[in-house]
Order: sequence, then C-alpha cells, then structure tokens
Amino acid sequence: DADVTQTPRNRITKTGKRIMLECSQTKGHDRMYWYRQDPGLGLRLIYYSFDVKDINKGEISDGYSVSRQAQAKFSLSLESAIPNQTALYFCATQGAVQETQYFGPGTRLLVL
Amino acid sequence: AQTVTQSQPEMSVQEAETVTLSCTYDTSESDYYLFWYKQPPSRQMILVIRQEAYKQQNATENRFSVNFQKAAKSFSLKISDSQLGDAAMYFCAYRGVGSGNTGKLIFGQGTTLQVKP
Repeated sequence: DADVTQTPRNRITKTGKRIMLECSQTKGHDRMYWYRQDPGLGLRLIYYSFDVKDINKGEISDGYSVSRQAQAKFSLSLESAIPNQTALYFCATQGAVQETQYFGPGTRLLVL
Repeated sequence: AQTVTQSQPEMSVQEAETVTLSCTYDTSESDYYLFWYKQPPSRQMILVIRQEAYKQQNATENRFSVNFQKAAKSFSLKISDSQLGDAAMYFCAYRGVGSGNTGKLIFGQGTTLQVKP
C-alpha cells in the first residue's frame, strides 16, 4: 500500500462549488504539506502543518483552507472554486526537519 | 527570499548517452538541502537525489550524480547511460534548515527530458 494517498485522483467541478481534497499517510510523520503545480511554475506551497494544532499559511493560501483531523490526515478545501484553481495538487509528508519529503500521487482538479 | 531557476525548459538525449540538467538558486543561508525530483507521466513526484550543503562531496545514486558548486550556487544533475524510463520532467528544489524553518520545498520551473531510442 502507498505511504501517502490522495483522494480523489481526478476531479471536475464547476465554478462556485465547494470541494475537498483529502490526504492520508501511514508514515507516522508530523509534518504535512499541500502544494499546487501549474505548468511552467513548478510546485508552490499552499498550507503546511507540523501537528494537529499547528497549521500555517504558505505562499498561495488565498481561496484555500485546510483541516488537520489527525496526525495522519490533512485535507485541503476550496470553499468556492474558481477556474484559475485548475491545477495539480500534491500532498507531502516529512518526519524530522532533516528528512526527505514524500509526495502523494497528486489530484488533478479542473474547475469549469 | 530563496529562488530556484531551471533555465532549460526541454532537453533531449540519445539512449545510453549522458545528459546534464542545470539548476541555479539564490539564498543567503549557509546551510540547506538541495534535491532533484523526477515526475514521469504518471505525475508521481519521485526523489532522485539529495545534497546537503555542508557536504563538499557530490551526491551520487547509481546513474545519477550532481555537480554542487556552493559558491556559484549551482546544482546540476548528470544522468549517465540514459534509459527510456528516464524520460520525465525533472525539478530542482531547495529547502532551508535554519531554526523555525518551515521545511517547505522551493521548486524550479522544471525541465522536460526526452530520451530518444
């Protein structure tokens, strides 16, 4: 089984709809991240969390919110989706500060 | 703020040949990590190689090696004996390690590598 899973893998939604992307991990890591990938821009950080009570904004948090339901679960919500939120979204986890980040398989989101 | 630049949007290499992907970065920190990630068409982000800035020795992983030039802030990836399965987008990434550091990765724009049979 994969260590970091994301659901759904693909999603099409309409402008104005609320949508939630979910991430689960079995690695026992405290640190979890949400990134967004756009063509020609690489990946950019949306939100990150060091534990259930510690959630922080990244560089492009506007229009997004997150919830850390448990150590293993970190969800990303788009309260009112807009077309420029069409992108590939990645969840990542990390153990200690010197360790490597591990990525989930990504969720491709299309907002019409 | 730290930045990472990959100036080669696309590269191609003949199977079994060697190719080098370029990456430069900007930072005022003295200690940090650098990474190369591979993203095949499956879109999974796969760690290829990692370099700690305090280590002078260049990291190697089988056919993959880096040329880390700290003073020049350059971090290139060399792929030897290229294989068809190496075709992918490659991302260079930076991560600081100072106190209070978020651990976030800062990515370059990516380089698409084509491997010709």
